[in-house]
Amino acid sequence: DAGVTQSPTHLIKTRGQQVTLRCSPKSGHDTVSWYQQALGQGPQFIFQYYEEEERQRGNFPDRFSGHQFPNYSSELNVNALLLGDSALYLCASSSGLATQQYFGPGTRLTVT
Amino acid sequence: GENVEQHPSTLSVQEGDSAVIKCTYSDSASNYFPWYKQELGKRPQLIIDIRSNVGEKKDQRIAVTLNKTAKHFSLHITETQPEDSAVYFCAALDAGGTSYGKLTFGQGTILTVHP
Repeated sequence: DAGVTQSPTHLIKTRGQQVTLRCSPKSGHDTVSWYQQALGQGPQFIFQYYEEEERQRGNFPDRFSGHQFPNYSSELNVNALLLGDSALYLCASSSGLATQQYFGPGTRLTVT
Repeated sequence: GENVEQHPSTLSVQEGDSAVIKCTYSDSASNYFPWYKQELGKRPQLIIDIRSNVGEKKDQRIAVTLNKTAKHFSLHITETQPEDSAVYFCAALDAGGTSYGKLTFGQGTILTVHP
């Protein structure tokens, strides 16, 4: 039973660039949520995708966008990167309206 | 929106002692409360959760209690072991409303268990 996977593991980008992070949910799950975790803080909700649509969004600017594919995998895109976007980006998968969310290993993004 | 406060920020105990971490939430509509354990450099791992129709839930050495009236919930770890050392996060979610996807996390508690 495959768990939640994310790629890449680490990424270094320059201010102003764009980045795409990827997530594959746990087998049997159809919902993907994205979180940003700054160093020493709890994860902050970015958005959630279900049935290929953004179902819920947190307090993040439009520079953060996403997509969900028919196979339930998801991408997080961040445009015009800022130094403050440096963080661990986590995706979590769940099933439909179920509440339990399981996290992937995360992508460590460093913006220089 | 929901706001979750978590205390203490750091907790140091001796092996075999108990550890208690407390969280308060602001949105009375929240009805699902998970706890995650995050070891250094690893993913948050769901260790226990509780729904608002239950006052207490136990799983071996870990238990969670919920007081809906006071809007607080706590994690209790008994007979702590060095491998319990990690950062623990509480979270809250309104599973029945329009925020059914959004987990709001506390700031985390660094638990250190000394052998």
